[in-house]
Amino acid sequence: DAGVIQSPRHEVTEMGQEVTLRCKPISGHDYLFWYRQTMMRGLELLIYFNNNVPIDDSGMPEDRFSAKMPNASFSTLKIQPSEPRDSAVYFCASSIPGTQETQYFGPGTRLLVL
Amino acid sequence: SQKIEQNSEALNIQEGKTATLTCNYTNYSPAYLQWYRQDPGRGPVFLLLIRENEKEKRKERLKVTFDTTLKQSLFHITASQPADSATYLCAPAGAGNNRKLIWGLGTSLAVNP
Repeated sequence: DAGVIQSPRHEVTEMGQEVTLRCKPISGHDYLFWYRQTMMRGLELLIYFNNNVPIDDSGMPEDRFSAKMPNASFSTLKIQPSEPRDSAVYFCASSIPGTQETQYFGPGTRLLVL
Repeated sequence: SQKIEQNSEALNIQEGKTATLTCNYTNYSPAYLQWYRQDPGRGPVFLLLIRENEKEKRKERLKVTFDTTLKQSLFHITASQPADSATYLCAPAGAGNNRKLIWGLGTSLAVNP
């Protein structure tokens, strides 16, 4: 299995630009999580989906952030407009059905907003 | 609000010794708690899960304890090796939500040869 796939791995953009991060979960996993990680705040859950439906988006910082999961094999996290304080590493993780709560993380997207 | 605290100071130990990392949580009682390892530039990797009705869990050189009275989990690595050097993250389940994890900031471990 290829594991969770994220793209791009690195993104450098200018303030005000739109940023789209992409994630392909592990096949068969029915939960998908988007996290942001910074040195100061650690890992923060932004939003998670179950069977493509958003369950909890209470961690989305503001309306500039949006996430979609159009099908079981693809999700996007969009920031529009981006700001320097959005600079962080963004991780996608997926989890298998049933009682196993283990999360499998992708390699992350390192975002720098200038 | 739910709060997770891990050793903020980096832990340096000699190869072969036992490393012990602490995770304390406050203001709630998680149904389970997970430990993950994170290497620089990579995503966290799952190590162990322990449930509220379990006192101890082992996997090879790893051992996790869960004390619901003290609201604390201890993570032990016995016979430590330089390859164990990484950041270790504690992640209890969120209150009333078995899929949402609340993450600590992690403890950096360095095992010196």
